[in-house]
Amino acid sequence: NAGVTQTPKFRVLKTGQSMTLLCAQDMNHEYMYWYRQDPGMGLRLIHYSVGEGTTAKGEVPDGYNVSRLKKQNFLLGLESAAPSQTSVYFCASSYSALATDTQYFGPGTRLTVL
Amino acid sequence: LAKITQPISMDSYEGQEVNITCSHNNIATNDYITWYQQFPSQGPRFIIQGYKTKVTNEVASLFIPADRKSSTLSLPRVSLSDTAVYYCLVGPRRGGNKLTFGTGTQLKVEL
Repeated sequence: NAGVTQTPKFRVLKTGQSMTLLCAQDMNHEYMYWYRQDPGMGLRLIHYSVGEGTTAKGEVPDGYNVSRLKKQNFLLGLESAAPSQTSVYFCASSYSALATDTQYFGPGTRLTVL
Repeated sequence: LAKITQPISMDSYEGQEVNITCSHNNIATNDYITWYQQFPSQGPRFIIQGYKTKVTNEVASLFIPADRKSSTLSLPRVSLSDTAVYYCLVGPRRGGNKLTFGTGTQLKVEL
């Protein structure tokens, strides 16, 4: 049982390049989340999904797109990377959206945009 | 969304009790309070959750006063391995995009 995994672990992009971050969970969770973590700002929600085929915007969605074609996978895309998107990205999943349900986090992806 | 503030950092010594307070002045009636712990190069992991009064589990206690405008995570007898960033999370029972993390508190435990 791997829990939540993220690929890649590290990535360096040039401004304007695109990339996709992959999140996978093997806990059969309905809900999945993408956060970004920046110094002094904690974790901010980018997008989330309440189930296969559905996605919704979080607090800071601009510049990102997501897809949830399979229940176990949640993809985060950057179509045209900008230096402001340099951050550590975390994926999380939970059984439901209830605040009483624990969110399980992946190990993170450190992205640098030059 | 709830506005959440935490101290940036705290220092302690092994064996001491550490109390980390989270301020959430505009917490809503149906909001829950959850605390997560994060070690370097890892994702956050759940520590404890509560709605009101006091909750205790095997690793921590959570104190929530009657007005619920703040909450305090209490770590008894900390050790070096408790050095981490601690996040307060506030949000309604059906969270979704209304769950808000605090900015985190870096706890450093020394010998």
